[in-house]
Amino acid sequence: EVQLVESGGGLVQPGRSMKLSCAASGFTFSNYGMAWVRQAPTKGLEWVATISYDGSSTYYRDSVKGRFTISRDNAKSTLYLQMNSLRSEDTATYYCTLTGSSWGQGVMVTVSS
Amino acid sequence: DVVMTQTPVSLSVSLGGQTSISCRSSQSLVHSDGNTYLYWYLQKPGQSPQLLIYKVSNRFSGVPDRFSGSGSGTDFTLKISRVEPEDLGVYYCYQGTHYPPTFGGGTKLELK
Repeated sequence: EVQLVESGGGLVQPGRSMKLSCAASGFTFSNYGMAWVRQAPTKGLEWVATISYDGSSTYYRDSVKGRFTISRDNAKSTLYLQMNSLRSEDTATYYCTLTGSSWGQGVMVTVSS
Repeated sequence: DVVMTQTPVSLSVSLGGQTSISCRSSQSLVHSDGNTYLYWYLQKPGQSPQLLIYKVSNRFSGVPDRFSGSGSGTDFTLKISRVEPEDLGVYYCYQGTHYPPTFGGGTKLELK
């Protein structure tokens, strides 16, 4: 059974950094692209970033480009999202997803002073 | 960016009834590889999204045949027949053909 477990969220001040992790199990992690999707409180879903199976290709939405970095450690079956220069509009629940077919339970990130 | 427009925004349905949700994209979702990367998700209250339909009309593993997807190009429909209580929540369409991938605004399905 595919399992995706996010961690690392919480309250952070504007301009600071935070790193999210997503521990994967139940499938061959190194064979699949992965993505982060977020959902602001009471809002819809918004794609954030995607990484290829081997980490060689990454894609970002414009609003996070240059601030967020998606990465992976295939030896640890773990996906990451490094978020720098955080803004209030980054406040959301962040989900990691296996090519959209399986999703983690989500981790809340609140950017506020 | 490709804009995904879902209608209606909310829907009331009786248990056992049938309903449908429309999703229109601002440009064709046919990829150069010939596939159409249009998906449907259901997000139940307090839960993560779950995949229902992939590539327009293919039911994901474990999804009951009460759910069906159809459409082509820019117009797509999700039909739900014999609605059950566990079908309630917010439905999203999603396109993965063009970068950045985009979601529709969502359709909330409620009980009448």
